[in-house]
Amino acid sequence: GDSVTQMEGPVTLSEEAFLTINCTYTATGYPSLFWYVQYPGEGLQLLLKATKADDKGSNKGFEATYRKETTSFHLEKGSVQVSDSAVYFCALYNAGNNRKLIWGLGTSLGVNP
Amino acid sequence: EAGVTQFPSHSVIEKGQTVTLRCDPISGHDNLYWYRRVMGKEIKFLLHFVKESKQDESGMPNNRFLAERTGGTYSTLKVQPAELEDSGVYFCASSGGMNTEAFFGQGTRLTVV
Repeated sequence: GDSVTQMEGPVTLSEEAFLTINCTYTATGYPSLFWYVQYPGEGLQLLLKATKADDKGSNKGFEATYRKETTSFHLEKGSVQVSDSAVYFCALYNAGNNRKLIWGLGTSLGVNP
Repeated sequence: EAGVTQFPSHSVIEKGQTVTLRCDPISGHDNLYWYRRVMGKEIKFLLHFVKESKQDESGMPNNRFLAERTGGTYSTLKVQPAELEDSGVYFCASSGGMNTEAFFGQGTRLTVV
């Protein structure tokens, strides 16, 4: 079945450092790909998404490109802030298959000032 | 506009007791999903309602879990009797259509002792 493999954490960075969180997937058909974020004490929020190959999702300085050839959707940010400290989840949605979100393990990010 | 609301936010119960979690979706959203994250593992799908009907309950762990959505509005998830392995964070999400963004609640952290 469909699956998502996400880089394990925790990840600790200094403010203004470059961030990459790797995510690869296995899926039939043409899934949509998502990054969700959970800030401390809050619920899951959609950070960005991409619905087809070569699409780039972006939000709040974060970017991820849907790479079908490498089945990847890596999350990147050029300069992280303390306020980016959160847990990041990669997920896929396959409307043609199981119509539910399939999740990675989540990566905890801590950013130090 | 109110988002997805879940309560309680935390619940600590003894093994063998019963707990009922509630989810109020965004008004007008026909799709309602329950997910669960057990510590250290990925978020897993439990079930999906379309209005009051169970569209997919393939993720429900066993018959100790009962979900309802009477009238197609709010949903409850009852665990009876609770076991230690039921501990985790239970997330609810709603969406307005099959391929539209799912909005998540803050989650209910259930601890069974």
